[in-house]
This record gives sequence, structure tokens and C-alpha cells, in this order.
Amino acid sequence: DGGITQSPKYLFRKEGQNVTLSCEQNLNHDAMYWYRQDPGQGLRLIYYSQIVNDFQKGDIAEGYSVSREKKESFPLTVTSAQKNPTAFYLCASSTRAGVGSPLHFGNGTRLTVT
Amino acid sequence: AQSVTQPDIHITVSEGASLELRCNYSYGATPYLFWYVQSPGQGLQLLLKYFSGDTLVQGIKGFEAEFKRSQSSFNLRKPSVHWSDAAEYFCAVGGAATNAGKSTFGDGTTLTVKP
Repeated sequence: DGGITQSPKYLFRKEGQNVTLSCEQNLNHDAMYWYRQDPGQGLRLIYYSQIVNDFQKGDIAEGYSVSREKKESFPLTVTSAQKNPTAFYLCASSTRAGVGSPLHFGNGTRLTVT
Repeated sequence: AQSVTQPDIHITVSEGASLELRCNYSYGATPYLFWYVQSPGQGLQLLLKYFSGDTLVQGIKGFEAEFKRSQSSFNLRKPSVHWSDAAEYFCAVGGAATNAGKSTFGDGTTLTVKP
């Protein structure tokens, strides 16, 4: 079955360390996205990519970085510059980057930084 | 700027009772509207979407939603709730020129189902 795979499901890091979250999709989708979810809040967009080798900042990009070297993969690095990195991170994809295509989500990675 | 308000943070209904989750949006043109459901510790799953045409849209799992332009609302309904419907529900809005991932999400409504 096609879908989005996020790994690992749980991730623990010490403050000051960079950490990379994996996101792979086999849906042949062009667009991919990273969201952050905090308790009691909706989803906030970190970065998105509409095509390979191109990506744009979302609403809360500071302290994060991404790459899109392959269509299937969109890893997110949480850097030590991110002031409050503990959160639930969701990766998503869509068929077209334009008109209202719905999002397909992975099952998320819960990052805890102490 | 587009925005979404889900006025109810938490709703509790009895199994078998009807359900309505409210969603109000703000958007300058014709919106694209979505409802997603999230089980604990999981990603979001699309329940239904509205782009144009019939204002009453049917989704998966027996859900439906009605678009009311005059009220800027897109409320989600289900005639008879099942215990497995307990989850968090998110309304989202985007537009024709909006990348799907740049849809704006509400803060969510948590549904509890009493036996």
C-alpha cells in the first residue's frame, strides 16, 4: 500500500544537538510538507517543497532546515537554534502543489529534547 | 489573511447520539474546505472536502458537512456516533491559489464518546 513513512516514532535528544527526522513517501506525490503540532493547537507549517531541489519556508521555519534531493524523501533537521523543539512533527504530501489537493499524512514523530 | 475557528475545544456525546462540530472560516474568495480526523499519536486522515457545487458533502465513516457561505461555516455532522469516532477533528481552509499544504488549520475539537 502507498503511504508516508515517518521514522522514528519517538526521538529523544539532548539540548544543543541537531536531529534529523525522516519522511519517505511512495505515493508519487510532487509536494511534501512538514508541520509541527503542539497540544491544544492546530498544525503549523514549517517548510514545504513543491518539486525536487526546491523548498520554501512556512510560518515557523526558524531553527529548522530541510532538503529535497529525491521526490520520495523530505527530511527535516531540527537544529540547536530551535528554542522549543519538543513537539509532535507531521510530514504530509499532496498530488499537486496548486489547487486544493488534500493532504496525506504520516503517523508523526514525537521529539523530546531535554 | 485566511483563518479557521473551531469554537468547541472539547465535545462529549453518548454513543448513538448525533454529532455536530462547528467550523467558521475567514477567506477572501471561494474557499476550499477540509475536515481531517486524528487518532491519538497518529497522523491526520481526510474525512471530506468541499471545492464547489453541492453544499452538502459526504465523506468517509458516515460523516457529512454543509458549506454555508452566508455564515462562513462548514460544520461537520454525523447522525449516530460510534465509540470509534472518539478522536480529534480539524477543520482547514485553503483557496484556489493556495498550495494544499498552506491550508490553515483550526485548533481542533476533541470528541469523547460516552458508552
